[in-house]
Amino acid sequence: GAGVSQSPRYKVAKRGQDVALRCDPISGHVSLFWYQQALGQGPEFLTYFQNEAQLDKSGLPSDRFFAERPEGSVSTLKIQRTQQEDSAVYLCASSLSLDLLQGNTIYFGEGSWLTVV
Amino acid sequence: LAKTTQPISMDSYEGQEVNITCSHNNIATNDYITWYQQFPSQGPRFIIQGYKTKVTNEVASLFIPADRKSSTLSLPRVSLSDTAVYYCLVGDEDYKLSFGAGTTVTVRA
Repeated sequence: GAGVSQSPRYKVAKRGQDVALRCDPISGHVSLFWYQQALGQGPEFLTYFQNEAQLDKSGLPSDRFFAERPEGSVSTLKIQRTQQEDSAVYLCASSLSLDLLQGNTIYFGEGSWLTVV
Repeated sequence: LAKTTQPISMDSYEGQEVNITCSHNNIATNDYITWYQQFPSQGPRFIIQGYKTKVTNEVASLFIPADRKSSTLSLPRVSLSDTAVYYCLVGDEDYKLSFGAGTTVTVRA
């Protein structure tokens, strides 16, 4: 597709359930990012991949959060034993390379809205 | 990453020019200034990026004074569809974009 695609767009999970959120980046984009956005706040960094390598996972809030990108394209963000505080929009973004200067921008998907009840 | 400060909200009317000023007193020599726009239920979208002086594209203009301690995003002749949250980001190669709370711009008829 032309842009970053995320699924599901909306997910309601019972507390304690595991969820998996999928991201299809723009074809050929090397860099892939996951961000978390709480209601009324700006996105916050979770993790970063360059191809299949997860180079930074410092933003993942707990060990219940796990991300992978096994073939360097599609990525999955998994949240185990969901808690109410996990309710947020999870945004995936991709970029042609790591160099973010001079217009080599990051393109965001529409996000996956997770509500934990 | 340099800290940025921008107004929480701004109101405008259709056809007016909207100017959003962002303060970044601790901007580093290698830092670029980037603005993103976010509509409800969508991810942020790149608007414009600059290093110094003035940058213009089909969507907006970015004015950066010589000391680079602030920048102003200018949206010419806004329409209702420009109602969104606008984020000012400052950084170099760091992929950990720091968005802050942004400025909510509301355009009224």
